[in-house]
Amino acid sequence: QSALTQPASMSGSPGQSITISCTGTRSDVGGWHLVSWYEHHPGKAPKLIICKDTQRPSGVSDRFSGSKSGNTASLTISGLQAEDEADYYCCSYAGGSTWVFGGGTKVTVL
Amino acid sequence: QLVESGGGVVQPGRSLRVSCAASGFIFSNYAVHWVRQAPGKGPEWVAIISYDGRHESYADSVRGRFTISRDNANNTLYLHMNSLRPDDTAVYYCAKDAGFEAATGEFDYWGQGTLVTVSS
Repeated sequence: QSALTQPASMSGSPGQSITISCTGTRSDVGGWHLVSWYEHHPGKAPKLIICKDTQRPSGVSDRFSGSKSGNTASLTISGLQAEDEADYYCCSYAGGSTWVFGGGTKVTVL
Repeated sequence: QLVESGGGVVQPGRSLRVSCAASGFIFSNYAVHWVRQAPGKGPEWVAIISYDGRHESYADSVRGRFTISRDNANNTLYLHMNSLRPDDTAVYYCAKDAGFEAATGEFDYWGQGTLVTVSS
């Protein structure tokens, strides 16, 4: 159950797009269509923004999109806005009724 | 809504129980998880209990020391933590699974967390 690998930080200007990667193994990210992504503003509860690799829950902005290739999942934030400044975490099913998170990526809007 | 309680400072080797009170949904229809986050680190999945309490699963780091349980009559989730270690220091969150009577690992509602500090 090793943590998934995410870049520690990323930044972009308003209106730009950024893509956050989440790398695991065939036992987790690459083995199931069960990667989810969370947005976390400090002091608030995390929010589910992507599930099942690519699906957006109802009410989530279409500026957020998910994709996956092999053992790496990605979250793209398009049209970056000031309110997108937050921590982003990926999470994957890892088999045997266990899950594993990424280390998190801090997004800064310049 | 999910509201955790019971955190605090505890000495290494001691025990602690944290709770999570649920409201606003039919608690007995959903699996629930505990997720923790140590200071400055990413989240770590800790444990899951099925909607009916019949099935549990744990992260390797806590298996044998922690026990997850639930009281569906009172809409409450528990985490019993034994043999606590300094590396168990974290904010402990309860999180509702999005799947109806199934575990999807999609955490659609989270509490605000309760801080557990293991220190002498």
